[in-house]
Formats: sequence, C-alpha cells, structure tokens
Amino acid sequence: GQQLNQSPQSMFIQEGEDVSMNCTSSSIFNTWLWYKQDPGEGPVLLIALYKAGELTSNGRLTAQFGITRKDSFLNISASIPSDVGIYFCAGYNFNKFYFGSGTKLNVKP
Amino acid sequence: EAGVAQSPRYKIIEKRQSVAFWCNPISGHATLYWYQQILGQGPKLLIQFQNNGVVDDSQLPKDRFSAERLKGVDSTLKIQPAKLEDSAVYLCASTTTWGTGYNEQFFGPGTRLTVL
Repeated sequence: GQQLNQSPQSMFIQEGEDVSMNCTSSSIFNTWLWYKQDPGEGPVLLIALYKAGELTSNGRLTAQFGITRKDSFLNISASIPSDVGIYFCAGYNFNKFYFGSGTKLNVKP
Repeated sequence: EAGVAQSPRYKIIEKRQSVAFWCNPISGHATLYWYQQILGQGPKLLIQFQNNGVVDDSQLPKDRFSAERLKGVDSTLKIQPAKLEDSAVYLCASTTTWGTGYNEQFFGPGTRLTVL
C-alpha cells in the first residue's frame, strides 16, 4: 500500500509556542487531509486540501498541499493545552484513505 | 445528525476466543470502512464496503477476520480465533458516496480490543 512518513513522532512544547509537522509520500495524492485524535475517540478532520500549492487555514491551524503532491505540512500557532492529542496526515485517492503514523503533541501550560 | 456508532467500546478476551464488533454508520452513508489502529500507529484499512458489497478486503487477514454489511447499513467485524497481535483499536468510518471524488470521512469512537 501507499506509505506516508510523518514527522516528528512526538513533540513537547510550551503553551504559546508554534508547532510544525509534516508528511511525505512516495505517491501522489489528489487530496491531503489532517486529522486530530483525542484519547478514546476516532480521528476528526481538521483541514482538507484539494490542489497542489493550496494553503488553507482553520483558526490557528494552517496547512499546505505540496507542489509535488507528495507532501503536506500542518502548522499550529500559539498552542494551547487543548491542542494536546495525536495529529495524523492522510492522503486520499479513488475512495481510499492512507494514514501517516501520527505526531503526538504535548503542551505544557 | 447522529455520528458513527460503535459497540462495544472496550473488549478484553483471551487468545483463541472469538469477538465481534458492530458499527452503525451515519444515515445515508453508502461507503463504510473498518480500520485497525495499533498503538502508536495510524489507522490501517481492513475492509471497505460500498452499500452491501465489498470493494476492498486486500488487507483483511481472511483466515481469522470476517466482516459483513448485509443490508447496506450497519456492519459487523468478527475475529475468530483472536491472536495477541490483534490487540488494537478497531475504527469504523463512513462517507456519503462512491466515485465522485473526495467526501469527508467520519469516524466512530472505536472499539479497544485487548487480547490476553
């Protein structure tokens, strides 16, 4: 299957700091997605990106669809304690979703 | 609208026992996915249904896993017999339609399976 490499695996940051995580693939995707998963819950969609070069924001979150269609990044600005969780990137092609291994974010108040 | 429902939320069994999970997708969602999420990893697709037909089960360990969606609505995933390495969270997800490009995928809360 198509593999996504997500980094970093985990991050420990101070409240108020900005965070950046990224995802790369050997395959081209038509859509890039970023999800957040809280403990005991399923992933929830944060941002969807539909075309190469697209830069999209959702509040303090900003994500970009790489020009090569093989990568994407997510930035979180001015982190707050409720940002704690696991963030997953995913690529979408032809009714299938392929997930990265996740970035676990810890925010110290 | 109600979200994707899954039950049970937690299950502990011994190896070689059987277990079944149930999923009810969002009303009207034609496509249903079962994923296995091992601790520290992202969801991995096990099986994908379009209405009541299987469209992809290439990653399903068919010697022990089975799934059905008889009436094109709710679905069950079964493991028989379970192995230690089956310990994971089993996520169900659904999307509205098939073949019309990207549609948002909605996840249930998952069933956490522990095999002792």
